[in-house]
Amino acid sequence: AQSVAQPEDQVNVAEGNPLTVKCTYSVSGNPYLFWYVQYPNRGLQFLLKYITGDNLVKGSYGFEAEFNKSQTSFHLKKPSALVSDSALYFCAVRDPYSGAGSYQLTFGKGTKLSVIP
Amino acid sequence: NAGVTQTPKFQVLKTGQSMTLQCAQDMNHEYMSWYRQDPGMGLRLIHYSVGAGITDQGEVPNGYNVSRSTTEDFPLRLLSAAPSQTSVYFCASRSPGALGTDTQYFGPGTRLTVL
Repeated sequence: AQSVAQPEDQVNVAEGNPLTVKCTYSVSGNPYLFWYVQYPNRGLQFLLKYITGDNLVKGSYGFEAEFNKSQTSFHLKKPSALVSDSALYFCAVRDPYSGAGSYQLTFGKGTKLSVIP
Repeated sequence: NAGVTQTPKFQVLKTGQSMTLQCAQDMNHEYMSWYRQDPGMGLRLIHYSVGAGITDQGEVPNGYNVSRSTTEDFPLRLLSAAPSQTSVYFCASRSPGALGTDTQYFGPGTRLTVL
C-alpha cells in the first residue's frame, strides 16, 4: 500500500526567508509525486509533480521540490517566502504499477504554512 | 473550459435524509474521483471511476453510492446522512497521459453539515 507522511502540522516562516515543507512517502515501486496547495475555502490547486527525470522539479509560483529516492522524500521549497504563500499544502503519491490501486492518489494530512510579515 | 464544477456549495441535512452531490467536468477526462476532507485527516478517497460505467471503492466508501453514466458527470449519493458525514467534499478529474504525466484537477468543494 502507498502512503504519505507530512511530519509538520504547521510551518511558520518570516517573509523573505526560505521555506521548506517536508514530505516522505512509501510505495512498492517507483512513485509519482505531487504537491497541491489549498487556499481558505477553495479547492486544491496543482503546484508541481515528479514523474521521472531530473530530481529537482520546478512548479508554479516559484516553488520547487526535490525528489530523493534514498530518503524517500519529496520536500517542497521556495527561496523567498511571500505572505500570499500562506495556505495548506498537501503532498500526494501514486504508484502507477500497483494494479487496481494505480489510479489512486494518496494524500498526506497537510501542512499549514504561515508566512509572517 | 469551466473545469470541474460542483453543486451545491453548501448543504445542511438532518440525520437520515438523502441527497446527491453533483460533479461535472468538461475536459473529457476519463478518471473521476470523490474525496472528503476532515481536519487533521487530509483527503480521503471515497469512490472513483476510470470511465463511463466503471466505478470502484476507495478508502472510505461506506454510506455513499456513485454511478457514472456519462464521461462528464459523476454524482455522489448519500443514502441516509449521518453526523459523521459532516465534511467538505471534493470532486476531481484526471486524464491519463503518456507515462502517467497526468494532473488531477479539483472542484471548489461542497461543505456538508449533517445535524
